[in-house]
Amino acid sequence: AQSVAQPEDQVNVAEGNPLTVKCTYSVSGNPYLFWYVQYPNRGLQFLLKYITGDNLVKGSYGFEAEFNKSQTSFHLKKPSALVSDSALYFCAVITNAGKSTFGDGTTLTVKP
Amino acid sequence: DAGVTQSPTHLIKTRGQQVTLRCSPKSGHDTVSWYQQALGQGPQFIFQYYEEEERQRGNFPDRFSGHQFPNYSSELNVNALLLGDSALYLCASSRDRRTNGYTFGSGTRLTVV
Repeated sequence: AQSVAQPEDQVNVAEGNPLTVKCTYSVSGNPYLFWYVQYPNRGLQFLLKYITGDNLVKGSYGFEAEFNKSQTSFHLKKPSALVSDSALYFCAVITNAGKSTFGDGTTLTVKP
Repeated sequence: DAGVTQSPTHLIKTRGQQVTLRCSPKSGHDTVSWYQQALGQGPQFIFQYYEEEERQRGNFPDRFSGHQFPNYSSELNVNALLLGDSALYLCASSRDRRTNGYTFGSGTRLTVV
């Protein structure tokens, strides 16, 4: 069975500082990994994905994620956080057949 | 270009009732997945429809059923509602079942009283 773990319920950073939101996964076969962001009372918005290729994936709004096969991790990063980045972030693994598993989410708070 | 459209946005039902939620996928998308998101939790996969058939299913009871129409729109039906079914129900669409990433709707907030 596949699983996703986001070990931090909450991440707090100061505006302008780098941020990292952690994600580890467990899946049979090659992982298809995604990050989504959710604002209050809204659906999820796609940030970035890793299917194959370069381990460093660049996505929307200046976010990037690094795929590490040996550590089964897919951490979300941004060099300089903005207050507007404050939201709920979800990591997900999706099989090629379409079955998906999401983490429980990490609330990112960026303070001015 | 319309994204994923879900209706209604909010719904209040009584225990034991039945409910139908609707989803129109993004233009060009043919696959629809449904998720249940309880408060403070991540989305839980219910099932996925492609070519009008259920292709994948998560760990949800048979009270949860669905349908996909020839125009790719989809319905989620829940019978014999329980208080624990109260959640945000999200629909996501994608193109040909592949992992190109899903486009999510804003969800239907279901409250069971």
